[in-house]
Amino acid sequence: QKEVEQNSGPLSVPEGAIASLNCTYSDRGSQSFFWYRQYSGKSPELIMFIYSNGDKEDGRFTAQLNKASQYVSLLIRDSQPSDSATYLCAVNVRGKSTFGDGTTLTVKP
Amino acid sequence: DAGVTQSPTHLIKTRGQQVTLRCSPISGHKSVSWYQQVLGQGPQFIFQYYEKEERGRGNFPDRFSARQFPNYSSELNVNALLLGDSALYLCASSLSGQGNYGYTFGSGTRLTVV
Repeated sequence: QKEVEQNSGPLSVPEGAIASLNCTYSDRGSQSFFWYRQYSGKSPELIMFIYSNGDKEDGRFTAQLNKASQYVSLLIRDSQPSDSATYLCAVNVRGKSTFGDGTTLTVKP
Repeated sequence: DAGVTQSPTHLIKTRGQQVTLRCSPISGHKSVSWYQQVLGQGPQFIFQYYEKEERGRGNFPDRFSARQFPNYSSELNVNALLLGDSALYLCASSLSGQGNYGYTFGSGTRLTVV
């Protein structure tokens, strides 16, 4: 079992829809949780982080954390073609971030 | 302000050779981490340095080594290159050693071993 698991996708949504990305992790000692966006040929870019159970909103993005279920999700509202990218979930334990293999999102105009 | 800078951007090496990759973190950031990313996979942790001391090491062979300098820049060295070392090598910096606020990545060094 991988430490951080994501559906590889691809996930395709129409422009203006809500995109839902999911991630599960195995280490119950995980302390902080991150979502990175990676455009093709580019390096990852941090878009959200969350520490506590519940929701955290930033603009069109909402991160959700459920530590009991070891589950993290990212919702993207009003999806735009520019949101088309690979989204990486990362889990931090004592300074070391472990990444999932990412979910590729395509937003169709 | 300059972000995380890595050099070189691209590199082609022959099997058995040695390579050194360089990274300068964001000004004020004392932690540098190195990751290897193979196409289609997420970044894999190689090393973390904080205040010039190794704080963590991933599951990579001893052919991989790194160090951090007094100005917090860092080098990653890979000896006896194998074809499987071909990947994007990413440097990430953070303010703290715990990385609680996430990392800022450099644009990476694309290493090709032939």
